[in-house]
Amino acid sequence: DIQMTQSPSSLSASVGDRVTITCRASQSISSYLNWYQQKPGKAPKLLIYAASSLQSGVPSRFSGSGSGTDFTLTISSLQPEDFATYYCQQSYSSPRGFTFGPGTKVDIK
Amino acid sequence: EVQLVESGGGLVQPGGSLRLSCAASGFTFSSYSINWVRQAPGKGLEWVSYISSSSSTIYYADSVKGRFTISRDNAKNSLYLQMNSLRDEDTAVYYCARLHSSGYYSLFDFWGQGTLVTVSS
Repeated sequence: DIQMTQSPSSLSASVGDRVTITCRASQSISSYLNWYQQKPGKAPKLLIYAASSLQSGVPSRFSGSGSGTDFTLTISSLQPEDFATYYCQQSYSSPRGFTFGPGTKVDIK
Repeated sequence: EVQLVESGGGLVQPGGSLRLSCAASGFTFSSYSINWVRQAPGKGLEWVSYISSSSSTIYYADSVKGRFTISRDNAKNSLYLQMNSLRDEDTAVYYCARLHSSGYYSLFDFWGQGTLVTVSS
């Protein structure tokens, strides 16, 4: 099974900061990597798919990069509505499995 | 507007059973594969099960294999999760999520609001 890790597990940042979250797969997953944002009490929302493609309607301050085993999610200028938990997900094993990373919580400094 | 609405959650004793439903609208349900994903209180997301558009292909996470059964009724635009032999560790919010895939990606593009299952004596 493919395992996913994320770092950091949490971070504190200020509005306007540039934020980078890292996700690593236990084996190569090519570009089959998605990023989701989840706010408390809400369902996850898709931000980035195929490692670097921006989902329709998602602000351009969000970007993704990477391939193989190492990926990053970058928020270029953190906005108040971006304080949330972010999860990566591998879909390389689709449809037999879709492993999520443990999440990165972004809160206010 | 695409909508997925889960129902059927509640409190059940260990060893008990529960059946979750997910009602879909706003898209051609019979054309899409659907998944169940769960989230234990204060924890991360865990994929639970997958069912193809025609029900011909089904997969489960090891943690629920042999205890949970996924099914769908395309005539009713509905997805189900029959959960048997429930354990404390099955306590979670359960989401249904639509799978959108091509040769280059697979992603969960729409999610329901979730239904809470609590396993406790």
